[in-house]
Amino acid sequence: AQSVTQLDSHVSVSEGTPVLLRCNYSSSYSPSLFWYVQHPNKGLQLLLKYTSAATLVKGINGFEAEFKKSETSFHLTKPSAHMSDAAEYFCVVGGGGGGADGLTFGKGTHLIIQP
Amino acid sequence: GAVVSQHPSRVICKSGTSVKIECRSLDFQATTMFWYRQFPKKSLMLMATSNEGSKATYEQGVEKDKFLINHASLTLSTLTVTSAHPEDSSFYICSAARSASYNEQFFGPGTRLTVL
Repeated sequence: AQSVTQLDSHVSVSEGTPVLLRCNYSSSYSPSLFWYVQHPNKGLQLLLKYTSAATLVKGINGFEAEFKKSETSFHLTKPSAHMSDAAEYFCVVGGGGGGADGLTFGKGTHLIIQP
Repeated sequence: GAVVSQHPSRVICKSGTSVKIECRSLDFQATTMFWYRQFPKKSLMLMATSNEGSKATYEQGVEKDKFLINHASLTLSTLTVTSAHPEDSSFYICSAARSASYNEQFFGPGTRLTVL
């Protein structure tokens, strides 16, 4: 069984300041972890993924996430927010069996960027 | 690479009719395709998993007779909402996985279904 908890439903930051979106997971086995972004009226876009390689994962658009097994966390960060980062972000856990397993999505965090 | 399309992007239908949504992997062969449903301001909920040439596996609580899934080829899966009702109105999203050993799903842009 697997689950994922996104600790904040909304996060608001000023443009140019750091972004932190929090995610905790639980899994019966070594999980694969993902962050997806969904802009209004757009499809889901993969930001980054962790699949048991380096614990610090770098993604697109300056985002990165660190896998911390002891804390069962996979928080998403970005040093400096841009207006175009405003979107819905989903933390996702996948089965250890590879792409043939369904993904479990967190409830999402709505990121608001203040000018 | 790894582009997934859905058709139609939006559909409005009358209550009691059936609607078919197509999901295609455009530049790769998908051994497995997934169908998700996204409610307003809610997370995605996995509805079913389909492997090419075999019956779909439905998640608990999803009516397989209402949501018919066909995965006829390695590039096409269809979801048919039969006898649609207003409560079936939602955003339906498909995804595709290249192979069982490649742990990533590629998502389609979604289909907005509105049942009147």
